[in-house]
Amino acid sequence: GEDVEQSLFLSVREGDSSVINCTYTDSSSTYLYWYKQEPGAGLQLLTYIFSNMDMKQDQRLTVLLNKKDKHLSLRIADTQTGDSAIYFCAESIRGGADGLTFGKGTHLIIQP
Amino acid sequence: DARVTQTPRHKVTEMGQEVTMRCQPILGHNTVFWYRQTMMQGLELLAYFRNRAPLDDSGMPKDRFSAEMPDATLATLKIQPSEPRDSAVYFCASGLDPHYEQYFGPGTRLTVT
Repeated sequence: GEDVEQSLFLSVREGDSSVINCTYTDSSSTYLYWYKQEPGAGLQLLTYIFSNMDMKQDQRLTVLLNKKDKHLSLRIADTQTGDSAIYFCAESIRGGADGLTFGKGTHLIIQP
Repeated sequence: DARVTQTPRHKVTEMGQEVTMRCQPILGHNTVFWYRQTMMQGLELLAYFRNRAPLDDSGMPKDRFSAEMPDATLATLKIQPSEPRDSAVYFCASGLDPHYEQYFGPGTRLTVT
C-alpha cells in the first residue's frame, strides 16, 4: 500500500537552511508535492516535482528527488520566522487530478 | 484572487445531528476533493469528483457520510447522524485535470459533542 513518512519535528536557527525529508513507498508515484500549513489555515501548495526530475529550484526552495531510494527533500534557504509551519509531503500517481497521499507532516520550529 | 471557499469555518454540534459542509471550488476547476485531517490519522482522502461525477469515495464511511456536487460551483459533504469520532477538520480542494496543482480551502473545523 501507499505510505509517506516524515520526521515529526525539525528545529533550526533563523538564517540557517532547513532540510525536511520524506520517504515514500509507492514506486508508481509520479508526482511529489510539498505543502505548507500554518496554524488554523488550509494547506498552501509550495512546489511539486515530477518523478523524471532530480531537482527543482524555486527562489528559496530546493526540492531534491532520489527516485531509487524513494526519498524526497525540501530545502529552505535562509529560514525566517515566517517559515514556521507544518510541512507536508504528498504523492500521487496521476498528479493533482487524483487524490493525494500525505505524510503526517513535519513541524518546523525556528529558533531566534 | 481565485480561492477555494468553505462554509461554515467552524461547526459545533451534538451527537446524532446532521451536519452539512459546503465548498465552492475555484471557477473553472473540474475536480473537487474532500479530505479529513485529525491528529491521529493525519490527512485522509474521503472522496472526489470530476466534472461533477463521483470518481472515488472509498475513503468515506458509507453508512453516515455522503458527498454530492449539485452543480459545478458547489460541493457538499453531509454527515448523518454525526458521532464524536467525526470531529476533525474537513478540507475541500480543487484542481483542473490534467494539470498537476491541487488547491485547498481553509477547512471546516467540526466538533461533535
